[in-house]
Amino acid sequence: GAVVSQHPSWVICKSGTSVKIECRSLDFQATTMFWYRQFPKQSLMLMATSNEGSKATYEQGVEKDKFLINHASLTLSTLTVTSAHPEDSSFYICSASTGTGGINIQYFGAGTRLSVL
Amino acid sequence: GENVGLHLPTLSVQEGDNSIINCAYSNSASDYFIWYKQESGKGPQFIIDIRSNMDKRQGQRVTVLLNKTVKHLSLQIAATQPGDSAVYFCAELADFGNEKLTFGTGTRLTIIP
Repeated sequence: GAVVSQHPSWVICKSGTSVKIECRSLDFQATTMFWYRQFPKQSLMLMATSNEGSKATYEQGVEKDKFLINHASLTLSTLTVTSAHPEDSSFYICSASTGTGGINIQYFGAGTRLSVL
Repeated sequence: GENVGLHLPTLSVQEGDNSIINCAYSNSASDYFIWYKQESGKGPQFIIDIRSNMDKRQGQRVTVLLNKTVKHLSLQIAATQPGDSAVYFCAELADFGNEKLTFGTGTRLTIIP
């Protein structure tokens, strides 16, 4: 149980184009999903918290118009990197939380490696 | 701000030996801690968790120890196997209400055959 699917796993795009990344919870419903960014050999940096049916909450320093997040259903959240530039190249990872007894555990997707040329 | 950090960025262990990965945290109000394992090119995988009202929790070949007095967390892996080679992150949850995790810097564990 608690499987999170992320697609695509790898994408290459030209500078100026937009890229959409999907995050799906396959066997549970997730009211809350999270989007992280990870640079090589570094830890995960939270970009935003995505709540079903409402606007995402972005962390300080993350441009909401640059990284559009939509949480259309309890099993799907999408991250769109708009007008991507080489500095947006990174490993993007989503997670979805579920749990019992008042404790929710975040389960992670396999990540999406974005390369902007 | 508050952060979670690790003492050792890299650790090499002989296959079959036990390994200990350490984590220091600074937010004394944190309620909940998780260890994740991340293999190259993949997302983090949940290993084990512990609540702040406990000081030890065991899983299959793994044990997490929590010392709230010195704000220290450790992950012990028994009888290490080549598949244990990965980067291990500790993460803390300061507030059950917003579910936001703060991740440590990570330790790369390499199992030597």
